[in-house]
Amino acid sequence: GAGVSQSPRYKVAKRGQDVALRCDPISGHVSLFWYQQALGQGPEFLTYFQNEAQLDKSGLPSDRFFAERPEGSVSTLKIQRTQQEDSAVYLCASSFFPPGTGKPYEQYFGPGTRLTVT
Amino acid sequence: AQSVTQPDIHITVSEGASLELRCNYSYGATPYLFWYVQSPGQGLQLLLKYFSGDTLVQGIKGFEAEFKRSQSSFNLRKPSVHWSDAAEYFCVHGAGSYQLTFGKGTKLSVIP
Repeated sequence: GAGVSQSPRYKVAKRGQDVALRCDPISGHVSLFWYQQALGQGPEFLTYFQNEAQLDKSGLPSDRFFAERPEGSVSTLKIQRTQQEDSAVYLCASSFFPPGTGKPYEQYFGPGTRLTVT
Repeated sequence: AQSVTQPDIHITVSEGASLELRCNYSYGATPYLFWYVQSPGQGLQLLLKYFSGDTLVQGIKGFEAEFKRSQSSFNLRKPSVHWSDAAEYFCVHGAGSYQLTFGKGTKLSVIP
């Protein structure tokens, strides 16, 4: 079946521009996660959704970052007034299981969107 | 706070040789531990996971890992490396109810 898809795969933005990154999770997956992977680093947690509810946004680096999942399926990560330090790969992951089951750790990752801010 | 340490940034092995990638974690309770692989242009793929029970876990592509509580380690092994195994490998720790904490990764190069 189809995995997690992300678009665009590559995005170049000029400093100060707004960008929107899209994630299509696996159909039926309750949990959705966003991660930021800087060059040479492991992914770092940004935010978590259970269905349409954003239950944790503790990893968002600033108030320029905003994520939504209005219908509990597709999610968008928006970055306003992009800065050079926002250059990274943004990964989306989904899981069938909600918290409390121990299995939301079994996350399926998309290929990522590589954002370059010039 | 939990953390994961992968002491080797880059490892090079010859095709057919054995492989061991090191991982240490720091957390008091029984951890949930994973190894993921990331190939260029590909998404992260789960190789194997440890939740509880048998401390030697088998994964896909011939990989295995052993959980050693006394050493706070979860090293990844493969008896014979193939050229297609060249990739970046991440040791990952799960805590709380959903958060994954990734190590910095070990890049594996394979010499033909």
